[in-house]
Amino acid sequence: RKEVEQDPGPFNVPEGATVAFNCTYSNSASQSFFWYRQDCRKEPKLLMSVYSSGNEDGRFTAQLNRASQYISLLIRDSKLSDSATYLCVRGGADGLTFGKGTHLIIQP
Amino acid sequence: DTGVSQNPRHKITKRGQNVTFRCDPISEHNRLYWYRQTLGQGPEFLTYFQNEAQLEKSRLLSDRFSAERPKGSFSTLEIQRTEQGDSAMYLCASSFPGAHNEQFFGPGTRLTVL
Repeated sequence: RKEVEQDPGPFNVPEGATVAFNCTYSNSASQSFFWYRQDCRKEPKLLMSVYSSGNEDGRFTAQLNRASQYISLLIRDSKLSDSATYLCVRGGADGLTFGKGTHLIIQP
Repeated sequence: DTGVSQNPRHKITKRGQNVTFRCDPISEHNRLYWYRQTLGQGPEFLTYFQNEAQLEKSRLLSDRFSAERPKGSFSTLEIQRTEQGDSAMYLCASSFPGAHNEQFFGPGTRLTVL
């Protein structure tokens, strides 16, 4: 079983809709989690960290459920510019473990 | 530009040749990481340094791969006797040490082995 698993999609979503992704992880000792965004042929960029209490940044909300070992990302009022691949990431002392990413396409 | 930089951005080489990539991290960051990414996959961890010490190496890092960070600033990644399977994007990231490991990535070096 892969350490971090995501549905690769693609998710085709109309502009303005709300979309949610989940990601599961296998290492229960994992302490830190992130969502990174990656545009086509570009480097990953940190979108937000995920804390146990959950956190919100504008239209984006991230949640961590340690009991079920999953992380979620909610995007409200989606924009065309949100089209990208969203990478679920586990942080550890040795670096980051990435999921394969979920491809999101926002359609006009 | 105070972000992570990588050179070259693209490298095309013939199978069997050696290649070397360079990464310059954000200057205040003392951790430096190398990742490899192939199409449709997330980045895969290769190795990381804290200052000049190489603290972790993935099993993905075969004997043909070597990384250095001699003065704790820039780092180089060398691949000897390249194979077609080495074709990938090689990403460098840097961070402060800390519980949350928020890493900042460079633009990557895209390697094509013919």
